[in-house]
Amino acid sequence: EPEVTQTPSHQVTQMGQEVILRCVPISNHLYFYWYRQILGQKVEFLVSFYNNEISEKSEIFDDQFSVERPDGSNFTLKIRSTKLEDSAMYFCASSEGGLGARGTQYFGPGTRLTVL
Amino acid sequence: GEDVEQSLFLSVREGDSSVINCTYTDSSSTYLYWYKQEPGAGLQLLTYIFSNMDMKQDQRLTVLLNKKDKHLSLRIADTQTGDSAIYFCAEGKTSYDKVIFGPGTSLSVIP
Repeated sequence: EPEVTQTPSHQVTQMGQEVILRCVPISNHLYFYWYRQILGQKVEFLVSFYNNEISEKSEIFDDQFSVERPDGSNFTLKIRSTKLEDSAMYFCASSEGGLGARGTQYFGPGTRLTVL
Repeated sequence: GEDVEQSLFLSVREGDSSVINCTYTDSSSTYLYWYKQEPGAGLQLLTYIFSNMDMKQDQRLTVLLNKKDKHLSLRIADTQTGDSAIYFCAEGKTSYDKVIFGPGTSLSVIP
C-alpha cells in the first residue's frame, strides 16, 4: 500500500540553526500538509499546499517557516532559525483531494525535531 | 471556533469492548476521522465517516455519528493488548481542508 515517507526520523539541532524536514507524499496526491505535535499536546495544523502554493497557514507558521515542492516528488518544511519551542514531532500528510475516500489525509511517520 | 474534545484516558480488560467518545463543534465538518498513534510512531488512519452517515463498521471497529449532538464514537470489539495506543478523533470540512485533532484518548488494555 502506498505510504507517505519522511526523513530524517530524528533531527537534533542547535538553537538558531536552519533545518529542512523532508517528505515524499503518495505519488498521485495533490494536496500536501505539515502538522506538528509538541510532546504531550494536540496535533496542530501548520500549512497546506496545493498547485505549488500555500493554500492555508496557521498562526504558528510565521516567517521562520517555509515550504517547497522542489522536484515534483519531495515536499519540504524549512525552519530558518530554530527556537527551543520548535522542538516537536513534525508530520507530513497528503491527500488526493476530491470527494469521498479520495479526500482522506494520510500521514507520514513523523520527524522528531529536538532543538538544544 | 473549531474544537474537538475527547476524554484523555480509558482502561479496559482484554476481550472487552472499548468505546472512545468525541465531541466536535463545527457542524460543517464533512469528514470525521479516527487516527491511532502507537508509542513513538506516526498517525495511522484507522477509519473515517462522512457526515451524511450514521454508522460505519469495519471489522472490529464501529463508528457512530450523532450529527445533531456533534458526537462521534469509536467502538473496538474484543479489545486486544495490541490496541493499546492513543486514539485521535479529528474533523475536516472538505477533502482538502486542514484536519483538526482532539487531544487524544490513551487506551490501556489490561491482560
